[in-house]
Amino acid sequence: DTGVSQDPRHKITKRGQNVTFRCDPISEHNRLYWYRQTLGQGPEFLTYFQNEAQLEKSRLLSDRFSAERPKGSFSTLEIQRTEQGDSAMYLCASSPGGGSQPQHFGDGTRLSIL
Amino acid sequence: GENVEQHPSTLSVQEGDSAVIKCTYSDSASNYFPWYKQELGKRPQLIIDIRSNVGEKKDQRIAVTLNKTAKHFSLHITETQPEDSAVYFCAANRAGSARQLTFGSGTQLTVLP
Repeated sequence: DTGVSQDPRHKITKRGQNVTFRCDPISEHNRLYWYRQTLGQGPEFLTYFQNEAQLEKSRLLSDRFSAERPKGSFSTLEIQRTEQGDSAMYLCASSPGGGSQPQHFGDGTRLSIL
Repeated sequence: GENVEQHPSTLSVQEGDSAVIKCTYSDSASNYFPWYKQELGKRPQLIIDIRSNVGEKKDQRIAVTLNKTAKHFSLHITETQPEDSAVYFCAANRAGSARQLTFGSGTQLTVLP
């Protein structure tokens, strides 16, 4: 399968703990996006990378959130000091470069905060 | 920023009938409008997209129309089948960012056999 893959699929943690998610984009895609989706809502944009550069960040991305894409391939999203409101599905997407291109999503990581 | 409104929130149709989902957007500079289908517990899947230089696009039973003047776009599904049952999301790119997508709140489509 050459689609976007995310790991883990599910994460359950206690409030206050740190969590890290990984995303592997489609190999030829140089753009990578993180979105958050809560129940009954559409995905909300968090951040975007072109190769290894983080070019856009949403105001939703508080200081507790950090994302990296060190070699321009896979990306990690870390949430520090998790809060109840962080419970959501975290989706990763990738696309080719050049203008507005179709974004292809992974299956997401479902985060549950106890 | 961009605001995308989607209607209806739920839609039930008989198998074989057509389904139409409508979205409006706020920013006239938006120029890319994808539609995604999301089945329960699965990833959003791109089903069709349209750019602002085109008024209509078709792919088999699915079509999208765009009215730039009115700032609305619609998804049309003809000859619906039970496997079309899912949540459908429209989206628009944010003005000033070709990459950020703003999504609608989704439409739960149920195709009754």
